[in-house]
Amino acid sequence: EQQVQQSPASLVLQEAENAELQCSFSIFTNQVQWFYQRPGGRLVSLLYNPSGTKQSGRLTSTTVIKERRSSLHISSSQITDSGTYLCAMERSNYNVLYFGSGTKLTVEP
Amino acid sequence: NAGVIQTPRHKVTGKGQEATLWCEPISGHSAVFWYRQTIVQGLEFLTYFRNQAPIDDSGMPKERFSAQMPNQSHSTLKIQSTQPQDSAVYLCASSLGQTSQNTLYFGAGTRLSVL
Repeated sequence: EQQVQQSPASLVLQEAENAELQCSFSIFTNQVQWFYQRPGGRLVSLLYNPSGTKQSGRLTSTTVIKERRSSLHISSSQITDSGTYLCAMERSNYNVLYFGSGTKLTVEP
Repeated sequence: NAGVIQTPRHKVTGKGQEATLWCEPISGHSAVFWYRQTIVQGLEFLTYFRNQAPIDDSGMPKERFSAQMPNQSHSTLKIQSTQPQDSAVYLCASSLGQTSQNTLYFGAGTRLSVL
């Protein structure tokens, strides 16, 4: 069973539009992280957000643990935001991150 | 700091051959993870070491895959009798400690192609 589900699978935006990415978990977790991967590039950690709302620049993540979901909001998207965004969760006391299949974001001029 | 270093970047093997993948974690990081990434399956956890000790290998196909961490500066993932379905990008990652409290840093990966 896929423990982490992400939606949408892909998203195309015009530059300056906002993006909303969703992540849901099949089991309860208290550790949620968001990662970014440019095509052919390394996975890079964006935000660690176990609960509530966290912001980093144009990125805002909201995690509602009791509803087993997290979201990532990207404001004023830029062409350089294009890539795949992955959500990951850690099973309690497991110390291992399990990843969703990602949302492929394309930002067009 | 060059980050997590993985070698080789690309490896091509024939079916049935052995492949050894190398990972050099960031100096001072005590946790090392191996993942496999494919388009179909996404990112799959394979195995994890903490302070060089194997902690969890629940994601490893037991028959042909093995991982070791002989010292704090490198880890290896060995695949015996490679099969076409082993073709994937193998990613190594390291962190200072528990992932819940420390950022996970990924290497660029080794792309394994089994012909």
